[in-house]
Amino acid sequence: AQTVTQSQPEMSVQEAETVTLSCTYDTSENNYYLFWYKQPPSRQMILVIRQEAYKQQNATENRFSVNFQKAAKSFSLKISDSQLGDTAMYFCAFMENTGNQFYFGTGTSLTVIP
Amino acid sequence: KAGVTQTPRYLIKTRGQQVTLSCSPISGHRSVSWYQQTPGQGLQFLFEYFSETQRNKGNFPGRFSGRQFSNSRSEMNVSTLELGDSALYLCASSTGTGGYNEQFFGPGTRLTVL
Repeated sequence: AQTVTQSQPEMSVQEAETVTLSCTYDTSENNYYLFWYKQPPSRQMILVIRQEAYKQQNATENRFSVNFQKAAKSFSLKISDSQLGDTAMYFCAFMENTGNQFYFGTGTSLTVIP
Repeated sequence: KAGVTQTPRYLIKTRGQQVTLSCSPISGHRSVSWYQQTPGQGLQFLFEYFSETQRNKGNFPGRFSGRQFSNSRSEMNVSTLELGDSALYLCASSTGTGGYNEQFFGPGTRLTVL
């Protein structure tokens, strides 16, 4: 079975600063995908960034980047130049290469302080 | 293109009743997955449908069931409601299987069981 662990239930960051959210996972699969999803208060979940396990290069989407360490089974999210709109619950998720089921972590509640 | 829609958005039921939730995927998407989100258990996978066939099912009792219609719209049904069924129920749609197919989430149905 796959498990995803987010050890930081809550975090805060000053506007314009950088913050890193941690995620570790456990799997015996070799091919899989990792995701970070954002769920703003009372709004729907949206994809922030996605990483394919067979790609060594870390994924980047504008101010969002990941540090993917396959051997360590670690997948952290870095948010640069934090904005008030980044305030949300962030979920790390795992999906097998040929599956369609997410395994989610428990989430990290991020607050951006003006 | 319209996003994933879920109806109703809010629902209040009493113990012992049954409930049906609906999810309309993005046009052209054939896969619909359902998740239960609670503060205690986090996001848990319920089931996935693809072209009217249930392909995968999570670890939930038989009171939870679903189906998918030929137009890809999906419904989930919970019979004999229990207090612990109070949750946000999310559906997600994608074009197919695998992590390379981005999944899009709906806004959810908030179910309260009294």
